[in-house]
Amino acid sequence: DAGITQSPRHKVTETGTPVTLRCHQTENHRYMYWYRQDPGHGLRLIHYSYGVKDTDKGEVSDGYSVSRSKTEDFLLTLESATSSQTSVYFCAISSDSYNEQFFGPGTRLTVL
Amino acid sequence: AQKVTQAQTEISVVEKEDVTLDCVYETRDTTYYLFWYKQPPSGELVFLIRRNSFDEQNEISGRYSWNFQKSTSSFNFTITASQVVDSAVYFCALSVDQAGTALIFGKGTTLSVSS
Repeated sequence: DAGITQSPRHKVTETGTPVTLRCHQTENHRYMYWYRQDPGHGLRLIHYSYGVKDTDKGEVSDGYSVSRSKTEDFLLTLESATSSQTSVYFCAISSDSYNEQFFGPGTRLTVL
Repeated sequence: AQKVTQAQTEISVVEKEDVTLDCVYETRDTTYYLFWYKQPPSGELVFLIRRNSFDEQNEISGRYSWNFQKSTSSFNFTITASQVVDSAVYFCALSVDQAGTALIFGKGTTLSVSS
């Protein structure tokens, strides 16, 4: 199994609070991604990174920001959480943009 | 723009039946990659296969087989002699050969295999 961890695994928070999710990899892969999974929508890309300090927006980036200061860590921040951001968040890594992605275990976030 | 369609939302079969999960993709790129992932009830996403657009050979791995047909833009997945452990959500995905692009996922097919 690819070495990907996500923390926390579960979080309940209140509307308007900031939330940061962490993805950590031990594979030294260049690419890292954040997806959200919602019923009826499959997985949708939030942001991705193609190197340290190199990030770009995905399909559903509004309300989210990311940072990557080290190869192994990719942080997803919800500056002011809303109930529409209740979801399961998956981090993924790949060695190149067209290679298979390996996914972390997911973080279940509930915004009340 | 790229798109992946999995028209079958849910499929129910009895153990030992064969089942095919359909995947139709859309892209104008000539170089692209197709993937299948499995998400069992435990929630993790498991990579099953990657196929590039220049390789139309079908692939078999144990009870799993994949049929890639560029003429119909399809990349279908067949499970032979299904088992209860095959119960999961299966996602088909597409990526193109452009720097920084990510996977475009279909909405998934939920397969339920009963004993």
